[in-house]
Amino acid sequence: QQQVKQSPQSLIVQKGGISIINCAYENTAFDYFPWYQQFPGKGPALLIAIRPDVSEKKEGRFTISFNKSAKQFSLHIMDSQPGDSATYFCAASGESGSARQLTFGSGTQLTVLP
Amino acid sequence: DAGVIQSPRHEVTEMGQEVTLRCKPISGHNSLFWYRQTMMRGLELLIYFNNNVPIDDSGMPEDRFSAKMPNASFSTLKIQPSEPRDSAVYFCASSLKTGENTEAFFGQGTRLTVV
Repeated sequence: QQQVKQSPQSLIVQKGGISIINCAYENTAFDYFPWYQQFPGKGPALLIAIRPDVSEKKEGRFTISFNKSAKQFSLHIMDSQPGDSATYFCAASGESGSARQLTFGSGTQLTVLP
Repeated sequence: DAGVIQSPRHEVTEMGQEVTLRCKPISGHNSLFWYRQTMMRGLELLIYFNNNVPIDDSGMPEDRFSAKMPNASFSTLKIQPSEPRDSAVYFCASSLKTGENTEAFFGQGTRLTVV
């Protein structure tokens, strides 16, 4: 069962443009929604994360928008740069004992053209 | 801190052979996760440990896969016997829940090729 659905699978944006990646989740017990960025040959690394008590979180050019009623959240990359070209994964988790088990989306390969 | 350390970085083995992947989590972290990444299935959680105890191994695909965490600083993922469909990048990640922070830190991965 795919609990986190991510779209699009790939995205091409011109330098300076806005990149938008969307995710939807099913499990209402999820209470932590991170985005991970992965460059080729590297492991995923946390980019930004949000909890459901806020509707938006911004860190530099990266913003998460969260819609609890729709069970959707999205990543917006403003002024996209070629260095942002990477694969982006949304994820979600809820408490499971004292460990947090992340469920990942399928990933979006972002290419920012110079 | 050197981060999560995985070895080897690359492994090529013949079908039927035993493969052991190794992971050293970040010191002080109490949760450890093994993931498998393929083009077809994306990132799949195989198993995770909390305080060295396996909590959920429902993602382990078959009995050919096994994982151990004998102490807080070392874990292994073993495949015996290996098959070509096991070819993937295997990631280890560790985390420590402190207040609101639940970030998982990933290693660089082991690229496994079974021929």
